[in-house]
Parts: sequence; C-alpha cells; structure tokens
Amino acid sequence: DVKVTQSSRYLVKRTGEKVFLECVQDMDHENMFWYRQDPGLGLRLIYFSYDVKMKEKGDIPEGYSVSREKKERFSLILESASTNQTSMYLCASSDGQFNEKLFFGSGTQLSVL
Amino acid sequence: RKEVEQDPGPFNVPEGATVAFNCTYSNSASQSFFWYRQDCRKEPKLLMSVYSSGNEDGRFTAQLNRASQYISLLIRDSKLSDSATYLCVVNGGGSYIPTFGRGTSLIVHP
Repeated sequence: DVKVTQSSRYLVKRTGEKVFLECVQDMDHENMFWYRQDPGLGLRLIYFSYDVKMKEKGDIPEGYSVSREKKERFSLILESASTNQTSMYLCASSDGQFNEKLFFGSGTQLSVL
Repeated sequence: RKEVEQDPGPFNVPEGATVAFNCTYSNSASQSFFWYRQDCRKEPKLLMSVYSSGNEDGRFTAQLNRASQYISLLIRDSKLSDSATYLCVVNGGGSYIPTFGRGTSLIVHP
C-alpha cells in the first residue's frame, strides 16, 4: 500500500515563527500536493509539484512556499506564521498525468498562537 | 479554476435508509469524477470513481450526468459506519489538478 507520511500530527507555533511541514511518500509518485482544510471551506490547494524541483501555485499560495529537492519529499514552509494559518494541512501524492487517485497523509493540525 | 459544489448537510438518516447526494461542477470539459470519504479527524480516502455509464460497488452507486453537469452518490441500506463526510472531486478540463467540493456530511443514527 502507498504510504504518505506527514512528520507531525499536531504542531503549535507562535506568530512570526518559520514553520516546516514535511511530507514523504514511498511509492515513487510523480505528483505531490499540499492542501489546507478548514471547517466550511473544504480542501483548498496551496501548492503542487509534478516533478523534482518543479512547483506550481494552487488556489491559496500566499504566505506559503514549498520545496521538492527529492522525489519522495515535499515540504511546505510558512515563512512567518500567522494566526490565520491555523488549519489542518494535508499532503497527498498521485501517480501519472491524470491524478486519478490521490493518497493522503494523516494530516498536520497546526495551531499558530 | 473549476468550481465544485455540494450541499454541506448534514443528512441525518436512520439505519437502513437510502440516501443520495449530488454534486455539481461548472467546467463542462471536466473529464474524471470521484467520490472520496473522510471520517472525522482522518484523511480523505477514495471511495469510488464515477464513470459515464455509472458504477456500483455493493451498497454504493455513483452516476454521472454530463448534460446537467452533476454527479451523484446513492447509499442503500445505510449503516452506522457510513457516517462520514463525502467529498466530490472533479478533474480534467484543461487541468489535471483535482478540485474538491466542500463535502456533504452524513450522520446515520440507530
């Protein structure tokens, strides 16, 4: 089975801190995604990557950056965390051009105080 | 980016009931469609793909209506364990980035 692992299940940070969320997948998938999920708003795409060192902005990239130095790892970076970035962050991966099936990590609940 | 809309619910049904959800999408060029299930405090998982001819998996039936641009999910003989949020996902139409609906909450009670 495909496994997508997110480094932390719960994270508490202070406003202004730099935050790293890590995601690793073990199935050699080409495509990786970062979503955030908020009550009533559903999943919103922050960034995605379709290859090493390649990245594309999603719907809400402001305040975030990403890094994909290796195929299996996709990192989300909050340069200066703010309280409105308190959310559930979900990483996903998929294989192939058409993203027929997404495999999600178990999520990181980030609280910014 | 294409828009995907769902009734958030909650749909509150007794065990054994039949319940149906719809999901509308705005991009007529969309090409693939899926239902994901998300349990409380868990990650979404693929429930089933939705094919043009419709498809069935046990108590679950998914259908696509391209003319009216909606997909549906029918659950027969609801179980307590079906309680979850059901997410509609649309893909294609110039972008193969999956777009999620906000989800429909189902609560099955005894």
